[in-house]
Amino acid sequence: GQQLNQSPQSMFIQEGEDVSMNCTSSSIFNTWLWYKQDPGEGPVLLIALYKAGELTSNGRLTAQFGITRKDSFLNISASIPSDVGIYFCAGDDTGANSKLTFGKGITLSVRP
Amino acid sequence: NAGVTQTPKFQVLKTGQSMTLQCAQDMNHNSMYWYRQDPGMGLRLIYYSASEGTTDKGEVPNGYNVSRLNKREFSLRLESAAPSQTSVYFCAAARNRGYEQYFGPGTRLTVT
Repeated sequence: GQQLNQSPQSMFIQEGEDVSMNCTSSSIFNTWLWYKQDPGEGPVLLIALYKAGELTSNGRLTAQFGITRKDSFLNISASIPSDVGIYFCAGDDTGANSKLTFGKGITLSVRP
Repeated sequence: NAGVTQTPKFQVLKTGQSMTLQCAQDMNHNSMYWYRQDPGMGLRLIYYSASEGTTDKGEVPNGYNVSRLNKREFSLRLESAAPSQTSVYFCAAARNRGYEQYFGPGTRLTVT
């Protein structure tokens, strides 16, 4: 089946630093989504991407839909303590059996 | 505008007991989903409802049933709970299949 790869499993950065995460797949997706999950909460949508090559920003977050449609990147600039959490990528092939496939997430820690 | 709500927030069951997890959305979205989240496994789709009146199996449907009661509500039933069903359950809603999904806060279920 389809799989999304996110690595490393954990990242540790200093407050104020920028961080970049990527998500790769062996399959083509037509939609890429990035979510953040805080402990004890549900995933919250950060950015949605619908077109290959698309670059979209949401505050300090920027995400890109790879031109091969097999990858996506999320950048967080000038990190702050509340950026701590688990970041998931998700892809949808939007075909007849459209469904989201999720990566296993990257746990981000921010040192003050 | 609450988005996606789930009840209960926590539940403890004994093996063999049954229960229904409730989910409601006020976004007038057509598609609704049930996921389970387990450590190291990411989010896995149990069942989904592409539109009112339809339901389909996801990746891990065994041991579960669903009902799309109306456009707003989508419930998940465990007929005979097993310890393997200990998990965090999330409901999500999307405008239609292939669009970004919005998640509820989750139900934390323990089966002893």
